[in-house]
Amino acid sequence: DAGVTQSPTHLIKTRGQHVTLRCSPISGHKSVSWYQQVLGQGPQFIFQYYEKEERGRGNFPDRFSARQFPNYSSELNVNALLLGDSALYLCASSFRQGVDNYGYTFGSGTRLTVV
Amino acid sequence: KQEVTQIPAALSVPEGENLVLNCSFTDSAIYNLQWFRQDPGKGLTSLLLIQSSQREQTSGRLNASLDKSSGRSTLYIAASQPGDSATYLCAVNNAGNMLTFGGGTRLMVKP
Repeated sequence: DAGVTQSPTHLIKTRGQHVTLRCSPISGHKSVSWYQQVLGQGPQFIFQYYEKEERGRGNFPDRFSARQFPNYSSELNVNALLLGDSALYLCASSFRQGVDNYGYTFGSGTRLTVV
Repeated sequence: KQEVTQIPAALSVPEGENLVLNCSFTDSAIYNLQWFRQDPGKGLTSLLLIQSSQREQTSGRLNASLDKSSGRSTLYIAASQPGDSATYLCAVNNAGNMLTFGGGTRLMVKP
């Protein structure tokens, strides 16, 4: 059974450009969350989506947006890229929103470099 | 606002040693706590999940404990091996829809 899949694995963009990152959750999981991990730090929460609705948002500017599709996959969009957006973007899936016995499963991430 | 701290930030030990990684959190009203392993440039691998009602969880050479009232968790690794070298992250779930991570402990196990 496939785990959480993210694409692309690596991406290089220029300042001011737009980027779209994609995530497919584990089959049967209905919740997808996005995290940003800057080098040397722990991941920071960006968004959670459950049943195609935004259920949580971290302290990130409006340049960051996301959506979840009927098949529960998700996209993270970042507009007007800044050098500081360079990071590893992680997607996590869980069976449902909130607490369960299984926790979160993370994908391998997308490494975004803004030049 | 929940804050999670991990000590030490880095640790280097010889192979075979037993070791303890520490995680502390400021808000004890948590749902659960999850320990992850991260290899350089890679995603997170879940190691152990402890619910708020539990005191500890074990998986192989790993044992994680939780003291919610004091805001602490420890990850105990028995008989460390070079393959255990990685960054270990603890994450607290206290809002139901997000994890708050510590900065991680970077572990190096020398042969």
